[in-house]
Amino acid sequence: NAGVTQTPKFQVLKTGQSMTLQCAQDMNHNSMYWYRQDPGMGLRLIYYSASEGTTDKGEVPNGYNVSRLNKREFSLRLESAAPSQTSVYFCASSGTGIVYGYTFGSGTRLTVV
Amino acid sequence: AQSVTQLDSQVPVFEEAPVELRCNYSSSVSVYLFWYVQYPNQGLQLLLKYLSGSTLVESINGFEAEFNKSQTSFHLRKPSVHISDTAEYFCAVTPSRNQGGKLIFGQGTELSVKP
Repeated sequence: NAGVTQTPKFQVLKTGQSMTLQCAQDMNHNSMYWYRQDPGMGLRLIYYSASEGTTDKGEVPNGYNVSRLNKREFSLRLESAAPSQTSVYFCASSGTGIVYGYTFGSGTRLTVV
Repeated sequence: AQSVTQLDSQVPVFEEAPVELRCNYSSSVSVYLFWYVQYPNQGLQLLLKYLSGSTLVESINGFEAEFNKSQTSFHLRKPSVHISDTAEYFCAVTPSRNQGGKLIFGQGTELSVKP
């Protein structure tokens, strides 16, 4: 009954370091998403994958890359972290047609110093 | 493109009082609408949704929202709030015809229920 699992839960990076945020879902969902949450700005879409083998940019893709490794896993990579990327990152998944909404992971709190 | 505006960033209210969290959206196509709730230090959970049919939708914990197409609104209401309703609430919209299933979120409203 795991749903969407994100790792790590917390991370502190130095400017210029790289890291990958991991996300896995066990609900056989086709679509997966990465959002960032910043105070007063709600959630903004970084990248999404409508189905296995496809990825597309969202509203704020600069500085990020993604990989849809298989149907279960969708990772987000920061190649050279910047302080502006300090945020809480959420992964989500949905079944076909979005009618059931998203299932969210518990988030990764990232601080870039 | 779609957009969502939540008209109040913070709503303080006393326990057992009624509350309304306002949400307006903009879209040139028909949409699905959602309300999500985020308790402190947790992810978002689906509270309720409007897909079609009755414009009044309800959640299991006493919240309701009404879809008003003419006013492009989807306000969330509860007649009597509890301390446990303290959380951040997000309104979200997506085109009803699948465009990748992307949800567009509002800025969020912090509901603070005081004893």
